[in-house]
Amino acid sequence: EAEVAQSPRYKITEKSQAVAFWCDPISGHATLYWYRQILGQGPELLVQFQDESVVDDSQLPKDRFSAERLKGVDSTLKIQPAELGDSAMYLCASGTVGTGDQETQYFGPGTRLLVL
Amino acid sequence: KQEVTQIPAALSVPEGENLVLNCSFTDSAIYNLQWFRQDPGKGLTSLLLIQSSQREQTSGRLNASLDKSSGRSTLYIAASQPGDSATYLCAVSDRGSTLGRLYFGRGTQLTVWP
Repeated sequence: EAEVAQSPRYKITEKSQAVAFWCDPISGHATLYWYRQILGQGPELLVQFQDESVVDDSQLPKDRFSAERLKGVDSTLKIQPAELGDSAMYLCASGTVGTGDQETQYFGPGTRLLVL
Repeated sequence: KQEVTQIPAALSVPEGENLVLNCSFTDSAIYNLQWFRQDPGKGLTSLLLIQSSQREQTSGRLNASLDKSSGRSTLYIAASQPGDSATYLCAVSDRGSTLGRLYFGRGTQLTVWP
């Protein structure tokens, strides 16, 4: 069964350093999402792509976060500089408009970030 | 802005009990509602998806209902097992011209003990 791949699975960094996360969606999925999940809370959308275009980045802290999906396939989320409050799980999801009623997002295993 | 609330925040029950997890949302203009399962330190697994025109969905021991007009959904777990221990997240989707974004609740942390 096809899965969303993410790397690294874990990342420890010091504040003010740069970090980058990678996501490879399920083949053929045009829509890709990055969510941030702080411990004890539900995921919150950071950015949504449709193919290579950003559809929604209203919740992305653009002073330090950037995201790209240059060829409309895999995607990179970058934080520079990292802050203590960025410690969280970063989840990538992908999806596609279905031919029937079923449309859902498939989530990757996440990258757990710890900023010291 | 859509707000999703889940009650209770945590639940601990003995094996075999039937459970009800609750989810409420503030904006009834949703496209669908999903229930996800999340094991500690892991990603999310979709359990059930209910379209806004539907009232319920069933999968094995799981049954989810949706009352869109009142902004409520329930997840019913029959004959709970220790393997059901996880966090259960409710999410609603809006949808514009593309696949919509999900708004999540904080989850219900379920522990089923033998």
